[in-house]
Amino acid sequence: EIVLTQSPATLSLSPGERATLSCRASQSVHSYLAWYQQKPGQAPRLLIYDAINRATGIPARFSGSGSGTDFTLTISSLEPEDFAVYYCQQRNNWPPLTFGGGTKVEVK
Amino acid sequence: EVHLLQSGGGWGQTGGSLRLSCAASGFTFSSQAMVWVRQAPGKGLEWVSSISDDGTYTYYADSVKGRFTISRDNAKNTLYLQMSSLRVEDRAVYYCAKEWGGWYFDSWGQGTLVTVSS
Repeated sequence: EIVLTQSPATLSLSPGERATLSCRASQSVHSYLAWYQQKPGQAPRLLIYDAINRATGIPARFSGSGSGTDFTLTISSLEPEDFAVYYCQQRNNWPPLTFGGGTKVEVK
Repeated sequence: EVHLLQSGGGWGQTGGSLRLSCAASGFTFSSQAMVWVRQAPGKGLEWVSSISDDGTYTYYADSVKGRFTISRDNAKNTLYLQMSSLRVEDRAVYYCAKEWGGWYFDSWGQGTLVTVSS
């Protein structure tokens, strides 16, 4: 099973600041990694797929990078609606499909 | 517009059974694989089960294998999760989701809470 470790667990930032979230895989997932955003009481929303591609309708301030075992989600300038929990997910080697434990981006 | 409307769930007893449903619209259901993902209160996301577009192939997390059964009725555009031998640790919000791009999930149901108690 591929374990995805996200860091930090919590990121405290102000609107307008840059957010950098990390996801590390226990073995290579090549580029088969996605990022999701989840707000309280809502279902997750797909942001990034195949490590670098924005999903339909996702603003350009969200970007993904990385390959192999180390991946990053960057939010270039935080908007009020971006404060949420973010999860990474791999599809390279499954079952099981696995998610990271999440990073909460909170208002400082 | 893709819409996944979940029903079922609620309260179950340990050792008991529940069935979740997920009614799909806005896309060709019979051409899409589907999944169930759950989220325990205050916790992260956990993949539960996947099913191929025609139902031929099914996959399960070890935590539910032998207890849960995923199925679909393409004539009714509906996905199911039959949950048996329920455990306290099955308590979670369960989401159905549409597979996209090779086992990513681009559309999600609203979630349904399953509570299990002895």
